[in-house]
Amino acid sequence: EPEVTQTPSHQVTQMGQEVILRCVPISNHLYFYWYRQILGQKVEFLVSFYNNEISEKSEIFDDQFSVERPDGSNFTLKIRSTKLEDSAMYFCASKGSYSGNTIYFGEGSWLTVV
Amino acid sequence: GESVGLHLPTLSVQEGDNSIINCAYSNSASDYFIWYKQESGKGPQFIIDIRSNMDKRQGQRVTVLLNKTVKHLSLQIAATQPGDSAVYFCAENNNAGNMLTFGGGTRLMVKP
Repeated sequence: EPEVTQTPSHQVTQMGQEVILRCVPISNHLYFYWYRQILGQKVEFLVSFYNNEISEKSEIFDDQFSVERPDGSNFTLKIRSTKLEDSAMYFCASKGSYSGNTIYFGEGSWLTVV
Repeated sequence: GESVGLHLPTLSVQEGDNSIINCAYSNSASDYFIWYKQESGKGPQFIIDIRSNMDKRQGQRVTVLLNKTVKHLSLQIAATQPGDSAVYFCAENNNAGNMLTFGGGTRLMVKP
């Protein structure tokens, strides 16, 4: 069964460093997302990406964050100058079309900022 | 260590019993709803979805009910099994946007 894959599964970084979280969405999907989940809390939307550009973003997704689809298969989330409060599980997700298809999530990348 | 964050409501059921997990949504414009299951340390896993033009949809051992009048969504799991133990989230979406808004989650614990 096709799945969204994410790397790394866990990353520890020092405050102020930059991290890149990587995702390979399901092949032939067109919509890509990043969500995050702080420990013990609900899943929160960060950004959606379609046709090589951001289509929606939340208030959380400020200038510290950026996304990129550098090639035909990868979708990355870059977090610059990480803060302690960026520690969370980051989920990548993808969907096949605008409507009628559900959003499938990866297993997540657990980011710990120390 | 102790986790800090929202205290999840917990539903504890006996193996073999039916479970009902409820969710209230706030956006009247939402027209698509999904239930996700999340096991510890894993990503949300799709269970079942329903569009706003329906009030009931059945899957394998699961049924989703939608009451648009009171903006309420429920997930029924028949013959609950230990493997059903997880946190269950409802999520909503509307055609004006392309993102999901998740509810707070309910922890289901199945006692053998």
